Amino acid sequence: QSVLTQPPSVSEAPRQRVTISCSGRSSNIGNNAVNWYQQLPGKAPQLLIYYDDLLPSGVSDRFSGSKSGTSASLAISGLQSEDEADYYCAAWDDSLNNWVFGGGTKLTVL
Amino acid sequence: EVQLVESGGGLEQPGRSLRLSCAASGFTFHDYAMHWVRQAPGKGLEWVSGISWNSGSPGYADSVKGRFTISRDNAKNSLYLQMNSLSAEDTAMYYCVKSMAATIPEYFKEWGQGTLVTVSS
Repeated sequence: QSVLTQPPSVSEAPRQRVTISCSGRSSNIGNNAVNWYQQLPGKAPQLLIYYDDLLPSGVSDRFSGSKSGTSASLAISGLQSEDEADYYCAAWDDSLNNWVFGGGTKLTVL
Repeated sequence: EVQLVESGGGLEQPGRSLRLSCAASGFTFHDYAMHWVRQAPGKGLEWVSGISWNSGSPGYADSVKGRFTISRDNAKNSLYLQMNSLSAEDTAMYYCVKSMAATIPEYFKEWGQGTLVTVSS
């Protein structure tokens, strides 16, 4: 059972938009930044979004992040087959004094 | 270019020990906190441990506290994870991860390719 809650899977057609939710509590998302990681099949994770809504250099602007209260979302627009991957949210938890992850969401581009 | 190269994984029996290493290059190692994050086969990511730039107050997940010890050698640009009393639940890919800053609660910026640890009799 992960501390942050994500849907196990989402799917959408090419060129459409999809959102992935990440739900937590005041000790993690409510009080700290959310970061998102993309893990392509067979690869190591890589940073996708940091500080809730900022894109690292080199990441497509088709990806965007947002946060409200104790929940965060990752949106991907103009879906492409290469976006098929697992997506994880993460945040520091002040109560646990730990990093916590969501369980991951598998994105399928139909 | 940041490079993080893990080593030391392999097959080990329950109750035994393993020591993972991570060789870092392409950045000023002693300026950044470092972490170990693991992923069991077919499962999600789990933070294992983190250490600040000066090795002060390392953090551990409850699942490994008292069994694993994180350390670093800034002179050798290296990160380590001493894993004792291994159990099957420790079977996972272990990633060496660079923070974006000197302290533990900052996000993970770059990841190594991982080293696989399998605990089985």
